[in-house]
Amino acid sequence: KQEVTQIPAALSVPEGENLVLNCSFTDSAIYNLQWFRQDPGKGLTSLLLIQSSQREQTSGRLNASLDKSSGRSTLYIAASQPGDSATYLCAVVYNNAGNMLTFGGGTRLMVKP
Amino acid sequence: DAGVIQSPRHEVTEMGQEVTLRCKPISGHDYLFWYRQTMMRGLELLIYFNNNVPIDDSGMPEDRFSAKMPNASFSTLKIQPSEPRDSAVYFCASTTGASYEQYFGPGTRLTVT
Repeated sequence: KQEVTQIPAALSVPEGENLVLNCSFTDSAIYNLQWFRQDPGKGLTSLLLIQSSQREQTSGRLNASLDKSSGRSTLYIAASQPGDSATYLCAVVYNNAGNMLTFGGGTRLMVKP
Repeated sequence: DAGVIQSPRHEVTEMGQEVTLRCKPISGHDYLFWYRQTMMRGLELLIYFNNNVPIDDSGMPEDRFSAKMPNASFSTLKIQPSEPRDSAVYFCASTTGASYEQYFGPGTRLTVT
């Protein structure tokens, strides 16, 4: 079964710290990988999309990397702020899954002032 | 663009009643997805459409669920009859075949009592 796993499920850090969120997937045959942010009671906001041919994408303080061979992606957040507190979800489109996203369980991040 | 629009935002109904959730995708997007999110199961894909045609409905839990997309700017997800275990947040998302980056609506929080 093609799965996506995110560890840890929850993370608490002090403001200003650089941090890394992890995502792993069971099959390297992916089309793309997308990182989302979800605030409590809200929908999902797309942060970064990495195509299978790419190694990383950057947006502001966020940097996402992709290593297909090891089945891993990381989301790096620089100089974290309390406003970064949210749940971060990783999702993969597998090659044999049409256009369907398979989601990880998410990492709930709290940045303490 | 207004983004993906969903209505209603909240729905409370009694067991056995019919529930209809609505979605308007981003203009120009040719893929539309319906997801369900619960604490226990996370985000699950229910069904998706391409050019108004259902492509994969393997995630639809049972015959009580049905989805339609009569035109490129409107889709419905219907539950008849509803049951308490259907309580969840239902999200609609859309994308184009050019990028496959999915954009999510704000969701409909359904409570079945």
